[in-house]
Amino acid sequence: NAGVMQNPRHLVRRRGQEARLRCSPMKGHSHVYWYRQLPEEGLKFMVYLQKENIIDESGMPKERFSAEFPKEGPSILRIQQVVRGDSAAYFCASSPGQGAAYGYTFGSGTRLTVV
Amino acid sequence: DQQVKQNSPSLSVQEGRISILNCDYTNSMFDYFLWYKKYPAEGPTFLISISSIKDKNEDGRFTVFLNKSAKHLSLHIVPSQPGDSAVYFCAARHSGTYKYIFGTGTRLKVLA
Repeated sequence: NAGVMQNPRHLVRRRGQEARLRCSPMKGHSHVYWYRQLPEEGLKFMVYLQKENIIDESGMPKERFSAEFPKEGPSILRIQQVVRGDSAAYFCASSPGQGAAYGYTFGSGTRLTVV
Repeated sequence: DQQVKQNSPSLSVQEGRISILNCDYTNSMFDYFLWYKKYPAEGPTFLISISSIKDKNEDGRFTVFLNKSAKHLSLHIVPSQPGDSAVYFCAARHSGTYKYIFGTGTRLKVLA
């Protein structure tokens, strides 16, 4: 019973390139959340998705960032034209539902470094 | 706008003693609180939760206390063990929503 799988674990991109971060939720989980942790900071909510739907993207920067969770396959967080300030750890979490009892199960994260 | 605050960035405790990690929040509409533990290069792992209708929840060596009037919660670990050394995050959820807001974390070091 695999947990939340994120890949790659480490990603290095040059300024201006695109970064694609993938997240496969736990089996049976249909709710996916993306969080970002900047150095020396806490986890900041970015986006919440259910299959084929973006429910809340209030934490996502308006430009260059997008997320999807297709009917088949993993959730993808895409960052276009990366800048140094995008360097952070990006964590994906999943849950089976939306109610109060459902804490998140987190993946191990993708550490993005922009050079 | 930091709605969930962990004012102590770090804490050192002797093995076998009690560790107390604190968390303050500003929004009285938060109704569910979680604690997560995070080791370096790993994702956060769920530790313990508490609903706003309770003031205490216990799970083995871990106890979470909630003081709603003070908008304060704390995590007690007793006895502390070296394997407890990690960063601890508290998180809170606004009533009727799904989104958890995290504090900035407290790094606990348990000294052998």
